[in-house]
Amino acid sequence: AQSVTQLDSHVSVSEGTPVLLRCNYSSSYSPSLFWYVQHPNKGLQLLLKYTSAATLVKGINGFEAEFKKSETSFHLTKPSAHMSDAAEYFCVVIASGGSYIPTFGRGTSLIVHP
Amino acid sequence: SAVISQKPSRDICQRGTSLTIQCQVDSQVTMMFWYRQQPGQSLTLIATANQGSEATYESGFVIDKFPISRPNLTFSTLTVSNMSPEDSSIYLCSVVHSMNTEAFFGQGTRLTVV
Repeated sequence: AQSVTQLDSHVSVSEGTPVLLRCNYSSSYSPSLFWYVQHPNKGLQLLLKYTSAATLVKGINGFEAEFKKSETSFHLTKPSAHMSDAAEYFCVVIASGGSYIPTFGRGTSLIVHP
Repeated sequence: SAVISQKPSRDICQRGTSLTIQCQVDSQVTMMFWYRQQPGQSLTLIATANQGSEATYESGFVIDKFPISRPNLTFSTLTVSNMSPEDSSIYLCSVVHSMNTEAFFGQGTRLTVV
């Protein structure tokens, strides 16, 4: 079985300040982890992925995430928020060797204030 | 990678009618899934589309309401039957490559039932 917990339903930051979106997972198998972004009325866009290579993963638009097995976490960060980062963010886990079903977290809405 | 073509991108339908959504992938994939995203919500798995056999439905979803076909490894359809306004959602097709456990998503079908 696998599950994803996004710890915050909303995160509010000021433009130019750091962003932290938290994600914890559980998986019976080695997990692959992803962050997707969804802008209003748009489709899902892959930000970054972890698939058992380097634990620090760099994605698009300055985002990065670190896989911490001991903490079962995969938090998403960005040093400096931009207004265009305002969107819904989803953490997703796929268990290798399991059902391969992508399991979504509930989503975190990132609000960026000018 | 995989490129997914999902049709239609959006539709407005009368209650009591049915809509069939198509998902075409540009490569052969083993795992194919259908999701629903209700307004303001995360993605919920409807079913796993199995090639040449009946789909595997998640709790709360039934074949009579959401019949799924998958005649080959690159194509699947989801039908939303006897629609009501509560079926207004985005429906997404997803595929997973077991070799690298990466998930790909269609752009979604935005369905409005009036």
